[in-house]
Amino acid sequence: DGGITQSPKYLFRKEGQNVTLSCEQNLNHDAMYWYRQDPGQGLRLIYYSQIVNDFQKGDIAEGYSVSREKKESFPLTVTSAQKNPTAFYLCASSIGPGGNEQFFGPGTRLTVL
Amino acid sequence: GQQLNQSPQSMFIQEGEDVSMNCTSSSIFNTWLWYKQDPGEGPVLLIALYKAGELTSNGRLTAQFGITRKDSFLNISASIPSDVGIYFCAGLGNYGQNFVFGPGTRLSVLP
Repeated sequence: DGGITQSPKYLFRKEGQNVTLSCEQNLNHDAMYWYRQDPGQGLRLIYYSQIVNDFQKGDIAEGYSVSREKKESFPLTVTSAQKNPTAFYLCASSIGPGGNEQFFGPGTRLTVL
Repeated sequence: GQQLNQSPQSMFIQEGEDVSMNCTSSSIFNTWLWYKQDPGEGPVLLIALYKAGELTSNGRLTAQFGITRKDSFLNISASIPSDVGIYFCAGLGNYGQNFVFGPGTRLSVLP
């Protein structure tokens, strides 16, 4: 089955630790995205990648880092510099960049203790 | 920057009723997407709109791309319990590279 997978579903970390969230897609999509969702708010774009080995900062990139070494994978690292990391993180992909429809993974809920 | 507003913020309706919600902005958009999100899950794409005035249906759902290009509407007919969730709109502007998301409309369906 084609789709986007995120793992783990729930993640707990101590304050000050870096943590990496996984996102994999087998849709052969060129573009991938990371969003953060907080209660009562819309999705906010952290980073996006239009093609392998290239990525751009979104609206709230501070304290996060990404890599795009393979087309199907776009991991997100939440660093200790992120001041308020507890949130629901969503990965998405689209055939190409810009106005193409985005499809989302199931999300990872990160709780920093 | 571009922002989207959604109304109502939340709504409670009886099963079988029709639902209307909208997404508005002061900016012009070229593409509108409507998503539904169940608790603890990722959003699922419901309808995509690409032309001003376009009216598109997906089962009991109908969405319209506003003529002014500054708004979009989503209607759900004959609501059922599984319609419960948060409905998000997303818009792509003239010079935007990425979609902007609204804050969502939370729908509750009472039996």
